[in-house]
Amino acid sequence: DAKTTQPPSMDCAEGRAANLPCNHSTISGNEYVYWYRQIHSQGPQYIIHGLKNNETNEMASLIITEDRKSSTLILPHATLRDTAVYYCIVRVLGGSNYKLTFGKGTLLTVNP
Amino acid sequence: GAVVSQHPSWVICKSGTSVKIECRSLDFQATTMFWYRQFPKQSLMLMATSNEGSKATYEQGVEKDKFLINHASLTLSTLTVTSAHPEDSSFYICSASGLAGRTQYFGPGTRLLVL
Repeated sequence: DAKTTQPPSMDCAEGRAANLPCNHSTISGNEYVYWYRQIHSQGPQYIIHGLKNNETNEMASLIITEDRKSSTLILPHATLRDTAVYYCIVRVLGGSNYKLTFGKGTLLTVNP
Repeated sequence: GAVVSQHPSWVICKSGTSVKIECRSLDFQATTMFWYRQFPKQSLMLMATSNEGSKATYEQGVEKDKFLINHASLTLSTLTVTSAHPEDSSFYICSASGLAGRTQYFGPGTRLLVL
């Protein structure tokens, strides 16, 4: 799986949009971009994933650049409960490689 | 949907005893389950992958005789830490995937403290 690069930490004001960047310059054509988050002392929570088109669900939006070398996770109206470590992971969907390789992620702190 | 539970949520045991952790997929059938370990201030590390009815595949450096994994049904996998020692104290997290290679959903984790 391709390696990702994320800033170690970010701050966001409550109610504002949180934009979390991820670089994955070596991503392959069949690799998806996945985002998970881990709130302190809990298991990771799936947020969203995409291949090349922008995706949106009830939690967030995922914007993937046209060359697919980077992406941004957007939490439109951050709340205090969104404070967590956010992991950007690229992996093949299906096939024999099921692994998720977690890096260090971005610690997002939402401030009141 | 896609709810995964773990039991117990935390456990304290004496050194040398064995501890069993259960992972259940509550609203879907999990053909593949994964076990991770997370030490304080570190990221998740995959320990093993198990497919229902098959032997688990362990990551390099993980002792298969110490961390016994059983995936006997499409909704249940168990991890048994045998002869636990204080260095096995960690946060153990399972995840489940409904179809091979699809999105993994994680349990809430089990915190193990070995005295």
